[in-house]
Amino acid sequence: KQEVTQIPAALSVPEGENLVLNCSFTDSAIYNLQWFRQDPGKGLTSLLLIQSSQREQTSGRLNASLDKSSGRSTLYIAASQPGDSATYLCAVRSVNTGANSKLTFGKGITLSVRP
Amino acid sequence: DAGVIQSPRHEVTEMGQEVTLRCKPISGHNSLFWYRQTMMRGLELLIYFNNNVPIDDSGMPEDRFSAKMPNASFSTLKIQPSEPRDSAVYFCASSLEGWGRDGYTFGSGTRLTVV
Repeated sequence: KQEVTQIPAALSVPEGENLVLNCSFTDSAIYNLQWFRQDPGKGLTSLLLIQSSQREQTSGRLNASLDKSSGRSTLYIAASQPGDSATYLCAVRSVNTGANSKLTFGKGITLSVRP
Repeated sequence: DAGVIQSPRHEVTEMGQEVTLRCKPISGHNSLFWYRQTMMRGLELLIYFNNNVPIDDSGMPEDRFSAKMPNASFSTLKIQPSEPRDSAVYFCASSLEGWGRDGYTFGSGTRLTVV
């Protein structure tokens, strides 16, 4: 059974700092990995999707990497801003029942960027 | 596209009442997922459909929960009778299945409070 872990559960940094959010998963047989952002009381917004054959994806100040063999992914946020404050969730799509596999989520990392 | 549309956004009901949550997936997506989010357990997959057919309902907590997808553009999640422990945010997501290569798009969620 796939398990996704995100540590720490919360992080507070000063504005302008570059930071890395970590995600680990137990079963390396995955189709892809997706990073989401969730603001308080809101839904999930997809940030980046990395296919199993890819090593990284970039969008603006965000860069996500994937090391499938070691079961790890990182989300790098450059020059953090107070507007980046949110919960960041990592989710993996495992290879178990063919194409119709489901997404397993970590518990998320709640980021607070101090002005 | 308007994205995944869920209704209602908020629902407050008394214990024992029937609750129906609704979801309209993105047009053209062939898979639909119902998730529940609580502080204690994070995001849990309840059920998912592919081409309107339920594929995996192992996450449905009890017989009080049921889900239907009568056509490609509509799904319901029903709780009957509701209990206070069902209070949570319920998310619907959709995806275009292609051997797991596609990401998920989430709706804004329905916040359910059972008193």
